[in-house]
Amino acid sequence: AQSVTQLDSQVPVFEEAPVELRCNYSSSVSVYLFWYVQYPNQGLQLLLKYLSGSTLVKSINGFEAEFNKSQTSFHLRKPSVHISDTAEYFCAVRSPGANNLFFGTGTRLTVIP
Amino acid sequence: EAGVAQSPRYKIIEKRQSVAFWCNPISGHATLYWYQQILGQGPKLLIQFQNNGVVDDSQLPKDRFSAERLKGVDSTLKIQPAKLEDSAVYLCASSSSTSAYNEQFFGPGTRLTVL
Repeated sequence: AQSVTQLDSQVPVFEEAPVELRCNYSSSVSVYLFWYVQYPNQGLQLLLKYLSGSTLVKSINGFEAEFNKSQTSFHLRKPSVHISDTAEYFCAVRSPGANNLFFGTGTRLTVIP
Repeated sequence: EAGVAQSPRYKIIEKRQSVAFWCNPISGHATLYWYQQILGQGPKLLIQFQNNGVVDDSQLPKDRFSAERLKGVDSTLKIQPAKLEDSAVYLCASSSSTSAYNEQFFGPGTRLTVL
């Protein structure tokens, strides 16, 4: 069985400060890992994903995440946040060949001016 | 490119009533998903279609929920009769195939409130 844990339900951070949103997963098989973002009143959008290859993956808007197999983690980081990064962030896991995306409970990032 | 369309955006009904949600995926996308997102939780897959066939409906409460995608394009999700615990956002997503390499694109969702 697969599961995803996002321990922080809310993360407030000041503008231009760094942020880390934590994600840990549990799976007995190899996995694909995803971060989705949901801006207010909008649908989920894929932010970045790890399928294979380099364990460090980056998005176009400055976020990055590193797949750590030994710690079963896929934490999301940004060195300097903007007001526009205020949103809910969901970590998700999927097994190769499986249909289902398993989502965490989400972390609400609030950037304070 | 138009995104995934869903309607209605909001629906309020009383328990034991019926409700239906509609989804139109991105043109050409063969795979369509319905997710349920209860407040404070992540989305949970209800059903997945590949063209007009069901790939996975293991998490769909079949005693009250049904879904169809008759022509392999748009889809309808129905709840009959609704219960209080069905209050949630219902998300539709589509992708060009079932492969994890193909991104799932999500619609804005339908927020259902059951009173």
